[in-house]
Amino acid sequence: DGGITQSPKYLFRKEGQNVTLSCEQNLNHDAMYWYRQDPGQGLRLIYYSQIVNDFQKGDIAEGYSVSREKKESFPLTVTSAQKNPTAFYLCASSIGGEDTGELFFGEGSRLTVL
Amino acid sequence: KQEVTQIPAALSVPEGENLVLNCSFTDSAIYNLQWFRQDPGKGLTSLLLIQSSQREQTSGRLNASLDKSSGRSTLYIAASQPGDSATYLCAVFTGTASKLTFGTGTRLQVTL
Repeated sequence: DGGITQSPKYLFRKEGQNVTLSCEQNLNHDAMYWYRQDPGQGLRLIYYSQIVNDFQKGDIAEGYSVSREKKESFPLTVTSAQKNPTAFYLCASSIGGEDTGELFFGEGSRLTVL
Repeated sequence: KQEVTQIPAALSVPEGENLVLNCSFTDSAIYNLQWFRQDPGKGLTSLLLIQSSQREQTSGRLNASLDKSSGRSTLYIAASQPGDSATYLCAVFTGTASKLTFGTGTRLQVTL
């Protein structure tokens, strides 16, 4: 079945640690995205990538980093510089191009800082 | 800057009712608008995508309309069922900003 797989589903982190969230898609999509969701707020864009080896900052990129070495994979690292990392993180993909097309989401990863 | 508003924030209806969820946006220069469903603790599931040149899209009991000039979209759910209980989000892709902007959602509860 085609889809987007995020792992881990739940993650606990101590302050000062970096953690990496995995996102893999087998939809052959060019574009991939990372969003953060907090209670009572809309989804906010962290980073996006329209093509392999290229990515752009979204609205809240500070304290995060990404890589896009393969078309299928777009991991997100939450660094110790991120002041308030506890949140629900969602990865998405789309065909890409000028108007994005339909967006497909993974099941999310919930990060809690202890 | 594009802003997306969804009203109401929460809605409770008895099973069988037809209902309308509203989404408004401030910048009419959009490429498309998408409606999603989100169950608690889960990712988003795409329901309907309306291109800027379209007026509406239908899928089963769902019908979404788009009025670009007035900056509005509605999601109509016919004959609601308890399984429709979820949060519904709309998102618009704005060409000038090349990004998707999400509303905060409408939390729907359909009671027996």
